[in-house]
Amino acid sequence: DGGITQSPKYLFRKEGQNVTLSCEQNLNHDAMYWYRQDPGQGLRLIYYSQIVNDFQKGDIAEGYSVSREKKESFPLTVTSAQKNPTAFYLCASRMDRGISGANVLTFGAGSRLTVL
Amino acid sequence: GDSVTQMEGPVTLSEEAFLTINCTYTATGYPSLFWYVQYPGEGLQLLLKATKADDKGSNKGFEATYRKETTSFHLEKGSVQVSDSAVYFCALSDTGSSNTGKLIFGQGTTLQVKP
Repeated sequence: DGGITQSPKYLFRKEGQNVTLSCEQNLNHDAMYWYRQDPGQGLRLIYYSQIVNDFQKGDIAEGYSVSREKKESFPLTVTSAQKNPTAFYLCASRMDRGISGANVLTFGAGSRLTVL
Repeated sequence: GDSVTQMEGPVTLSEEAFLTINCTYTATGYPSLFWYVQYPGEGLQLLLKATKADDKGSNKGFEATYRKETTSFHLEKGSVQVSDSAVYFCALSDTGSSNTGKLIFGQGTTLQVKP
């Protein structure tokens, strides 16, 4: 079945360590996104990529980094510079613009990061 | 900038009650509007959408109408079930020339349905 796979589902790290969250999609979607979710808040956009080897900062990019070397993969690194990294991280993807229904995002199941 | 405001939760209802979750938005252009649902421990799933004024999105007994005059997209269901217990997010998408597909979300409304 086509979809988005995020791993790991749960991750515990010590303060000051970098961690990388994986996001893989087999939907042949062009655009991919990373959102952060905190309790009682909506989702906030961290980074997005509309095409391979290109990505843009979202609203809360500080302390995060991404890469887009392959169409199906968009890993997110939470660096030690992120002051409050404990959160639920959601990856999403979208078919390229211009196609009917193209604004619909498909989400993965999420990764919960806890920094001890 | 663009924004979405949802009614605060939690909303607690008895089974078969009528549901309304209010959503209003602020946008400079003509956004598409969405409702997503998140079940415990999971990612978000698209519930319904509307792409232009007066469109009605519907799915699984839920519906919402895109009201440009009141900048609203309220979610309704005539008879809720325990299985509808989840967090509901209203969102809008930029439809300008850049069309990045970014979604702007409301803060989410938790629905609890009791048997």
